[in-house]
Amino acid sequence: ETGVTQTPRHLVMGMTNKKSLKCEQHLGHNAMYWYKQSAKKPLELMFVYSLEERVENNSVPSRFSPECPNSSHLFLHLHTLQPEDSALYLCASSQVAGQAGTQYFGPGTRLTVL
Amino acid sequence: GQNIDQPTEMTATEGAIVQINCTYQTSGFNGLFWYQQHAGEAPTFLSYNVLDGLEEKGRFSSFLSRSKGYSYLLLKELQMKDSASYLCAVRALYSGAGSYQLTFGKGTKLSVIP
Repeated sequence: ETGVTQTPRHLVMGMTNKKSLKCEQHLGHNAMYWYKQSAKKPLELMFVYSLEERVENNSVPSRFSPECPNSSHLFLHLHTLQPEDSALYLCASSQVAGQAGTQYFGPGTRLTVL
Repeated sequence: GQNIDQPTEMTATEGAIVQINCTYQTSGFNGLFWYQQHAGEAPTFLSYNVLDGLEEKGRFSSFLSRSKGYSYLLLKELQMKDSASYLCAVRALYSGAGSYQLTFGKGTKLSVIP
């Protein structure tokens, strides 16, 4: 596989469920990102992992928990979500330096919380 | 904080030229990106400007004026497949993190009609 892949592509879950979103990048990048895209809103940065740091958007609720075991894999653990969390969740990767941070996106996971 | 404005929707005719504008107010500007996003798909990278002037890449060109906080994306010889949302994103100092991250506009939905 090439580029950035995400699984699952679609997910429907109840408010009491626990699920995880997975992202894998095959570009040799060393930074990975989670974004949330809701209807009629801009892409919202949730979390960043890179060699030097982890960045969090302080407005993201604690029911979203990221995990980055290595530079190629990124997870987003979900628990006790709310209906307003329904959105497209996009993963991206980039190099930290150079034409730095041109970010390449995965296809996204369409999440519906019932 | 960061503020990025772009028109919500535009319509243009196949074969014509269209210009999508983006204005921004940010702290610590470090580059501006344009992405294309077809409905239900991932954003794909189109162009990057960090210095003032025009960058040309085939049918697409992007212009930046840092002093005016202004950019535009120019699409020539429009094709039906160019119907998509076009996202303006600015890399700037991310609040509280001391690092540079992308902040996205809401996107401009372009409809190309015959």
